[in-house]
Amino acid sequence: AQKITQTQPGMFVQEKEAVTLDCTYDTSDQSYGLFWYKQPSSGEMIFLIYQGSYDEQNATEGRYSLNFQKARKSANLVISASQLGDSAMYFCAMRGEGGGNKLTFGTGTQLKVEL
Amino acid sequence: EAGVAQSPRYKIIEKRQSVAFWCNPISGHATLYWYQQILGQGPKLLIQFQNNGVVDDSQLPKDRFSAERLKGVDSTLKIQPAKLEDSAVYLCASSRTGTSGEQYFGPGTRLTVT
Repeated sequence: AQKITQTQPGMFVQEKEAVTLDCTYDTSDQSYGLFWYKQPSSGEMIFLIYQGSYDEQNATEGRYSLNFQKARKSANLVISASQLGDSAMYFCAMRGEGGGNKLTFGTGTQLKVEL
Repeated sequence: EAGVAQSPRYKIIEKRQSVAFWCNPISGHATLYWYQQILGQGPKLLIQFQNNGVVDDSQLPKDRFSAERLKGVDSTLKIQPAKLEDSAVYLCASSRTGTSGEQYFGPGTRLTVT
């Protein structure tokens, strides 16, 4: 079974600062994928970034980067230069080897960006 | 490219009534997913279709929930009869075959059962 743990229910960050959202995972699969999604108050889940278990370099997408530490089973999301529009719920998710791309989600971290 | 469409956006029903949700995935996406997201939790997969076949419905409460994807495009999810604990947001997502598996979500349907 796969499990995603997000231990930060809420985070605050000042505008223009960087913030790290924590995610740890548990799986016995050799091949897996890790995802981060953003969910604004409107409710839609927005795909941010993907990291494959065999990828040697950390994934980056604009202001988002994924700090992947395989031995520690962690996949933290780093948002640089935070903006007010980054205020949202952030979910870490995992896809395993079986199950046809089924995603297992964590409980999320509510991020609030302040002036 | 149009995103995943869902309707209705909001629905309020009484317990024991029935309700149906509709989803139209991104054009060309063979895989379609229905998730249930209870307030304060992450989404939980209910059912996954590959074209018009079911890949995974292990977490679908089959005594009251049903879903279909006729012709491999649109999908409907039905609840009959609804219970109070079915109050949640129902998210539809789709993905392309042969990718890393990133899923693209619709706006969701917020269901309130009273």
